[in-house]
Amino acid sequence: DTAVSQTPKYLVTQMGNDKSIKCEQNLGHDTMYWYKQDSKKFLKIMFSYNNKELIINETVPNRFSPKSPDKAHLNLHINSLELGDSAVYFCASSPYGGANYGYTFGSGTRLTVV
Amino acid sequence: KQEVTQIPAALSVPEGENLVLNCSFTDSAIYNLQWFRQDPGKGLTSLLLIQSSQREQTSGRLNASLDKSSGRSTLYIAASQPGDSATYLCAVTGGDDKIIFGKGTRLHILP
Repeated sequence: DTAVSQTPKYLVTQMGNDKSIKCEQNLGHDTMYWYKQDSKKFLKIMFSYNNKELIINETVPNRFSPKSPDKAHLNLHINSLELGDSAVYFCASSPYGGANYGYTFGSGTRLTVV
Repeated sequence: KQEVTQIPAALSVPEGENLVLNCSFTDSAIYNLQWFRQDPGKGLTSLLLIQSSQREQTSGRLNASLDKSSGRSTLYIAASQPGDSATYLCAVTGGDDKIIFGKGTRLHILP
């Protein structure tokens, strides 16, 4: 299946831990993104990468670090997790920029920090 | 700063009725507008993508319109079914490749 795949789907962890979320797309897209959906269901962009190069870096704590080993993968590493990091994190991809072709989203990773 | 508003926040209609979901945005300088569907605990499914030069797009029972100059879009769902129950998100993209989402309309189709 052609898709944007995220792992894990659910992640429960204690405050202070470091965790990673992985994202892979087999659509041949050049650009990948991380979005965060908070408890009020509001979706907001965090990062975007185009062919392994960081393009968008919103005002996100330094504890969040994206890594793109190749254009098909964009992982999100979070250090020293805090309660406020609990949210659903969505990965997305698009052909070079989604302005012309729209975006394809993964199914999300629900992160719960306890 | 672009803001996207969706009204109503929640809507319940009997099965079989036609319905309209509304979306408005403050900055008309958009490249496209995309309607998504989100089911509880699931990801976002793209429903329709309207480029800024287009007025509408249709897919099956769904029709989305775009009036860029007035900053409005509507999603029309014909002959609603219980399976249409979900949250519908309107999203616009500008030249900076950032999607700005509305907060969604939670739709419940009553059997």
